[in-house]
Order: sequence, then C-alpha cells, then structure tokens
Amino acid sequence: GQQLNQSPQSMFIQEGEDVSMNCTSSSIFNTWLWYKQDPGEGPVLLIALYKAGELTSNGRLTAQFGITRKDSFLNISASIPSDVGIYFCAGLGGTYKYIFGTGTRLKVLA
Amino acid sequence: NAGVMQNPRHLVRRRGQEARLRCSPMKGHSHVYWYRQLPEEGLKFMVYLQKENIIDESGMPKERFSAEFPKEGPSILRIQQVVRGDSAAYFCASSREGGQPQHFGDGTRLSIL
Repeated sequence: GQQLNQSPQSMFIQEGEDVSMNCTSSSIFNTWLWYKQDPGEGPVLLIALYKAGELTSNGRLTAQFGITRKDSFLNISASIPSDVGIYFCAGLGGTYKYIFGTGTRLKVLA
Repeated sequence: NAGVMQNPRHLVRRRGQEARLRCSPMKGHSHVYWYRQLPEEGLKFMVYLQKENIIDESGMPKERFSAEFPKEGPSILRIQQVVRGDSAAYFCASSREGGQPQHFGDGTRLSIL
C-alpha cells in the first residue's frame, strides 16, 4: 500500500531558528496537505498544495509540492515556542483517500 | 463554532460494552471520514461516508465496528463488545467534496478498562 515517510521524526530547535521537514512517497500524489496537531486536539490544516512545483506560504510557514509529485516540504521560519507540536503531511492517493505521514514532532527550546 | 464537532471528548468503557462516538461535520460539508490514532503514531483511515452511504470502509475492522451517517443527525462510529486494543483516539474529519482538504474535530479518546 501507499506509504508516506516523514523526516525527521522529531527535532529540538532553539527559538528563532528555521525548521525544515519533508515527506516522501513511493507513489505520485495529486494534492499535498500539511497539518499541525497540538496535544489533546485534532489536526489543524496549515497549507494545501495542488500543483507540482507549487510554493505556498501561510505566515511564517512555507510549503512546496515537489516536482516529482512524490514529495513535499514544509519550512517554518523564525520558530517560536507555540510552534511546538506534531506536523503531519497527507497525500491524496486517488479521488478521496488521504494517506497520512507518521509525523514530525517539533520541540522549541526558549 | 462552525467546526467539526465530536462528542464525547473522553469515553471510558469496560470490556464487552458498546462505544458510540458522534461527529457533526462542518456546515456545508456532506463527506465524513473517521480515523484512528494510537499514541505517537499517525492517523489511520477507517471509513468514508456521505449522507446515508458508506463509500469506503476498507480501514475498518469487519467485526464489531460499524459506521453510519444518516440523513438527519451526526455520523456515528459504533464499536460493539469493546476490547482493550480498541483504546485510542478516534478523529472525525469532513470535507465539502471528496478529495478536498479535510477539517478535523478534536477527537474522542476511548479508554477501555
């Protein structure tokens, strides 16, 4: 079945640093989504990407739809303590079923 | 609040009892998805429903689990004769159309004693 590999699995960074994470697949996807999940809550949609090569920003967050359509990247600039959480990518495999990655756990050291 | 509403937020059941989890989609959304999440893991697809129809239940165990999304009222995920292994967080998401970005509720955390 389709699988999404997210890396890194977890990361500790200093406040103010930039963060990069990625998601790779063995299959082609038509849509990529990035979510953030805080403890005890549901995932919140951050960015949606619909075309290969697309680069989209949401505040300090920037995500890119890889040209091969098998990967996507999320960058967070100038991290702050509230950026802590789990970041999930999701790829649309087919017409309706999103496949979710295993998450990148981000911890920010003040 | 026009977001996806799930209740209860926490549910405790003894082995052998039934668990009923409810999900009201966002206003204007007629597509509902249920996912299961274990601690430190990602979201696993269970079932996809539109009003009165189950479109894809490939991720849902064949026994003890069922889901519905009636014409009126919330979507229900039902687990009969619960076992310890059913303990998890169950999330519901909705979208306006299939394939569009899904918006999630805050989940129901099911604990089996």
